[in-house]
Amino acid sequence: GQSLEQPSEVTAVEGAIVQINCTYQTSGFYGLSWYQQHDGGAPTFLSYNALDGLEETGRFSSFLSRSDSYGYLLLQELQMKDSASYFCAVRDRTRDAGNMLTFGGGTRLMVKP
Amino acid sequence: EAGVTQFPSHSVIEKGQTVTLRCDPISGHDNLYWYRRVMGKEIKFLLHFVKESKQDESGMPNNRFLAERTGGTYSTLKVQPAELEDSGVYFCASSLAGNQPQHFGDGTRLSIL
Repeated sequence: GQSLEQPSEVTAVEGAIVQINCTYQTSGFYGLSWYQQHDGGAPTFLSYNALDGLEETGRFSSFLSRSDSYGYLLLQELQMKDSASYFCAVRDRTRDAGNMLTFGGGTRLMVKP
Repeated sequence: EAGVTQFPSHSVIEKGQTVTLRCDPISGHDNLYWYRRVMGKEIKFLLHFVKESKQDESGMPNNRFLAERTGGTYSTLKVQPAELEDSGVYFCASSLAGNQPQHFGDGTRLSIL
């Protein structure tokens, strides 16, 4: 079956750095995405890694190791507005050649002053 | 550029009734997806449209769910008759191409009483 594991909750202080890990077991793999969701809002696309290595976008970076079936999202210089849920999602092809995302359960990040 | 919009934002209906959810993708996005998140579970794939065609509907839970995308623009998801276990948040997403990031709407929160 398909499964993605990520911590359910992480707490950090403003200005700090936090890393959210994601391990996956999926039948297919085309890439790992990260989404941010504030309560009641839309999951917002943050990053996508198809190849091994680190992708940096401003304060956020995402890493992928396909051999380890592992990735992480790194958030630097934390701000209060970063308090949200963060989801890792594997992009896969369905048996009918459709595209789908398989999501982890989400990590609730709480940033404290 | 307008994002993915979904209507209604909330819907409360009784078991056995019919509900239709609507999704307007980002203009020009041929790929449209439906996902849902039921209480305490991960966001799950339902189906994928390419233009007006169903590329894959392997995630649809049963034949009480019917998705359409006439004309290849907006899409509707009808639940008939609704059951208690259908309660959850239904998300729509769209992407320019199948391998491009999926952009999500705010979702429709569906409550079945």
